[in-house]
Amino acid sequence: ETGVTQSPTHLIKTRGQQVTLRCSSQSGHNTVSWYQQALGQGPQFIFQYYREEENGRGNFPPRFSGLQFPNYSSELNVNALELDDSALYLCASSLGVAWVNEQFFGPGTRLTVL
Amino acid sequence: GQQLNQSPQSMFIQEGEDVSMNCTSSSIFNTWLWYKQDPGEGPVLLIALYKAGELTSNGRLTAQFGITRKDSFLNISASIPSDVGIYFCAGQLSTNAGKSTFGDGTTLTVKP
Repeated sequence: ETGVTQSPTHLIKTRGQQVTLRCSSQSGHNTVSWYQQALGQGPQFIFQYYREEENGRGNFPPRFSGLQFPNYSSELNVNALELDDSALYLCASSLGVAWVNEQFFGPGTRLTVL
Repeated sequence: GQQLNQSPQSMFIQEGEDVSMNCTSSSIFNTWLWYKQDPGEGPVLLIALYKAGELTSNGRLTAQFGITRKDSFLNISASIPSDVGIYFCAGQLSTNAGKSTFGDGTTLTVKP
């Protein structure tokens, strides 16, 4: 059984560019949540995908968008990058949306916007 | 929106000492979670609490879900060097499964 994996590990972009981050969920997990973790802070919920549909969104602008594929892997897309988008982006997978399920996090993608 | 206040922000302790950290919220949660994050890694779940008043242990770790549903604490007994890391509390509402609200963490340093 493989855990949650994310790619790339690190990424450097310039302001105004677009970026796509990828996440492979743990085997058997159909729910993926994305978080942004700024330096020195806790993760902040961006959105969640359940069976290829968005299932809730945090306080992030529409230039943050996502996809979930039939194999439950997921992408996070960020358009028109801003300096404040520099952060560790974490994805977490879980067995479903029932509240008793815990999440398992990937190692994250470190995005630097210059 | 929901906010979690986690304290202390950082702790420097001697190996063998006990540690206590807590988390308070302005609103109610139905689940409290405690995570540890090491450098370059994602958070790893330590303890999950599902009922108000619940006290749960995981080895040297003990956590409690506050009766008011607005707070939780984590204790670590007899600390060891590998306990070093950042500890996060997180709260979930039953209608927002998987959509956790995190505190800003407690950074723990253990001196051998």
